Amino acid sequence: QVQLVQSGAEVKKPGASVKVSCKASGYDFVSKGITWVRQAPGQGLEWMAWIRPDSDDTKSAQKVQGRVTMTSDTSTSTAYMELRSLISDDTAVYYCATQGRSGWLDDWGQGTLVTVSS
Amino acid sequence: EIVLTQSPATLSLSPGERATLSCRASQSIRGFLAWYQQKPGQAPRLLMSDASNRATGFPARFSGSGSGTDFTLTISSLEPEDYAVYYCQQRYNWPLTFGGGTKVEIK
Repeated sequence: QVQLVQSGAEVKKPGASVKVSCKASGYDFVSKGITWVRQAPGQGLEWMAWIRPDSDDTKSAQKVQGRVTMTSDTSTSTAYMELRSLISDDTAVYYCATQGRSGWLDDWGQGTLVTVSS
Repeated sequence: EIVLTQSPATLSLSPGERATLSCRASQSIRGFLAWYQQKPGQAPRLLMSDASNRATGFPARFSGSGSGTDFTLTISSLEPEDYAVYYCQQRYNWPLTFGGGTKVEIK
């Protein structure tokens, strides 16, 4: 079955960068896009970014454009999301999810808590 | 950007009651709407795609309807495991957007 395993929780200072990984298994990694969604404490879901591993085509939300970079390593079936110039509002649980041919977010990682605090 | 507005924010119902959740889009999204269920401390889980296609693992008491700008998720008879937060999401165009969520809580 499809499994997405994300890297562990991070604590960062304002202005720093964080890189979250999402290791996929159970399917052909290049056959589905990877979407990143975040959820601030007690808040709803916010779409952040998307990457298509077979072409490295990417899209990102205007709110984080210029600060976020998505990459993928097909040799290890791992997607990465790097967010730079962190601010306190970036404190959230970050999820990766597969986006297959259906276009919907079929399978999700367990989430990675990123805390930005001085 | 397409804005999705969910109502009500909270639904307080007893087990066995019917739950009706609404999601309204700021413009037509045809049928490109999904619903996700999220329980505390867990990742969201795809529940319904293309407005009315129930995902594997969810029972028939869950149903979805709607097209254009108005969508509904119905739980015909609430079971204890259904108490959760439900989000709608559109993929009609980029950026993907989510509604603010409806929390279904035990009355």
